[in-house]
Amino acid sequence: AQKVTQAQTEISVVEKEDVTLDCVYETRDTTYYLFWYKQPPSGELVFLIRRNSFDEQNEISGRYSWNFQKSTSSFNFTITASQVVDSAVYFCALSDRVDNFNKFYFGSGTKLNVKP
Amino acid sequence: KAGVTQTPRYLIKTRGQQVTLSCSPISGHRSVSWYQQTPGQGLQFLFEYFSETQRNKGNFPGRFSGRQFSNSRSEMNVSTLELGDSALYLCASSLSAGSNQPQHFGDGTRLSIL
Repeated sequence: AQKVTQAQTEISVVEKEDVTLDCVYETRDTTYYLFWYKQPPSGELVFLIRRNSFDEQNEISGRYSWNFQKSTSSFNFTITASQVVDSAVYFCALSDRVDNFNKFYFGSGTKLNVKP
Repeated sequence: KAGVTQTPRYLIKTRGQQVTLSCSPISGHRSVSWYQQTPGQGLQFLFEYFSETQRNKGNFPGRFSGRQFSNSRSEMNVSTLELGDSALYLCASSLSAGSNQPQHFGDGTRLSIL
């Protein structure tokens, strides 16, 4: 079963538009961590944010904001006033500890195209 | 501070051969994880090493193995290569093992099997 689902395969927006990337996760663990990573065309995955399961406060960092809702098992990522440099593949990830093993699970990624 | 370094960047092998990929973590990081990234399967966790011990393992066959040295550098080995092993292999390091640690990724090694 897919533990992290990113239903949007590819999104195209025009510069300055706001865009939200969806992420839905599944876990039996009560303590878990959620992450977002950005993979630009150069290939290196860049860490963006980490949230733990006990902290549902939304977070804002510049043009980036994250909405964590345990009730819907979602951890969505919004980019405000998108820029061409935001074009990349964005991955949502879950880390939990089930059956005494820590594991990372990545979603399939959402490719964001920001056009000038 | 130097990031995660993976060598080589590109590698071409033929079926049946074996390959060893190398990863040097960020200085001070003691945990190293390996992932396989393919267009069809996305990012899949291979294994994690911490203090020279394999701590976690994904669902890959025994042809995929790894090890970690006392300086935290890690190697991944794939034996009897198959066409389906063609992928980008990513290494990630973190300060310690544990589900709360953000991982910092290298540029990857792109392995092509002919």
